[in-house]
Amino acid sequence: DAKTTQPTSMDCAEGRAANLPCNHSTISGNEYVYWYRQIHSQGPQYIIHGLKNNETNEMASLIITEDRKSSTLILPHATLRDTAVYYCIVRSGTGANNLFFGTGTRLTVIP
Amino acid sequence: SAVISQKPSRDICQRGTSLTIQCQVDSQVTMMFWYRQQPGQSLTLIATANQGSEATYESGFVIDKFPISRPNLTFSTLTVSNMSPEDSSIYLCSYRGGSGNEKLFFGSGTQLSVL
Repeated sequence: DAKTTQPTSMDCAEGRAANLPCNHSTISGNEYVYWYRQIHSQGPQYIIHGLKNNETNEMASLIITEDRKSSTLILPHATLRDTAVYYCIVRSGTGANNLFFGTGTRLTVIP
Repeated sequence: SAVISQKPSRDICQRGTSLTIQCQVDSQVTMMFWYRQQPGQSLTLIATANQGSEATYESGFVIDKFPISRPNLTFSTLTVSNMSPEDSSIYLCSYRGGSGNEKLFFGSGTQLSVL
């Protein structure tokens, strides 16, 4: 599975949109982009995933560039409870079970 | 999604002892997994718990150290054997679910400290 690169940390003001970037320049055609987050002292939580089209659900939006080499997770109105480590993961739809979580981006939402 | 629970939530153990962690899902799931998260680190897959057969271990993890049981489709245990301080970590169980079985759902983890 392709590896990803994310900034180590980011801050976002409460109520503003949080835009979390992820580079996955070696992604192949059958690999999906997944986002999970881990709030302190909890297990990771699935947020969203996509292949090449932009996706939106009740938690976030996922914007994938046309060449699929990068993506952005958007939390439209960040709250203090969104403070967490966000993991961008690239995985084949029929690939191994192992999700390589990487180090993620620590997002801090500031009041 | 099914509710997944783990126990104990935390424990402090002595070197050389063993601890068994239990993971319960409130509905049948096909695939269950055990992860480790060392202090300040990301998650690493230990093994896939297979119902009715031996677990499938990832590189660097062996059955003698981390025996796993999966007696049915709702329950699994992970034992951390002959513990040392290096085993101090958070241990998480998870299952694969969602409409296309594409999402991982995690328990809240077991915080293990070995003295």
